[in-house]
Amino acid sequence: DAGVIQSPRHEVTEMGQEVTLRCKPISGHDYLFWYRQTMMRGLELLIYFNNNVPIDDSGMPEDRFSAKMPNASFSTLKIQPSEPRDSAVYFCASSIVAIPGLAGEYNEQFFGPGTRLTVL
Amino acid sequence: GNSVTQMEGPVTLSEEAFLTINCTYTATGYPSLFWYVQYPGEGLQLLLKATKADDKGSNKGFEATYRKETTSFHLEKGSVQVSDSAVYFCALRGSYIPTFGRGTSLIVHP
Repeated sequence: DAGVIQSPRHEVTEMGQEVTLRCKPISGHDYLFWYRQTMMRGLELLIYFNNNVPIDDSGMPEDRFSAKMPNASFSTLKIQPSEPRDSAVYFCASSIVAIPGLAGEYNEQFFGPGTRLTVL
Repeated sequence: GNSVTQMEGPVTLSEEAFLTINCTYTATGYPSLFWYVQYPGEGLQLLLKATKADDKGSNKGFEATYRKETTSFHLEKGSVQVSDSAVYFCALRGSYIPTFGRGTSLIVHP
């Protein structure tokens, strides 16, 4: 398996422009997570999906951020309009559901290589 | 809510030194515990995990034991290499949402 795939790997844009980040999870995984990583805030969970349905978007910082998962093999994170403070590395991660019936048997996440976003 | 606390870095060691990175957690129920490693310019990748009390996870010479009585999951390695230089994240998952620590940077000098 190729692992979680993200594109682009690097994005440089100007303030006010729309930015779209893309993610292809590992086939068969039914959870997909979007994270943002910065030196100041560390790793922040933005939103996660289960079976293509958004479950919790409480980490999305503002209405400028939106995420979709139209099918099991593709998700996007969009920032419109972008601002310099959005500069960060954005990670997508996927996971399969916990093994039913076994207490504590939660599975690990598989992370993509990230997209480094710079907003000028 | 759940939380993970790990020691602040950077941790700077000479090659072949012993490594310990402390991690403690707060959680309800029976979470699974993880250590992830992030090399420069890459995403996080699983280093090891333990799913119940007293389990020991191990990989690439690293070990961590799930201690429920002390709510800890300290990472250890007997002899570090320059190639171990990276950021290490302790994490727990007691529900569908994982909780990560802030990460500890490890720098190993030749």
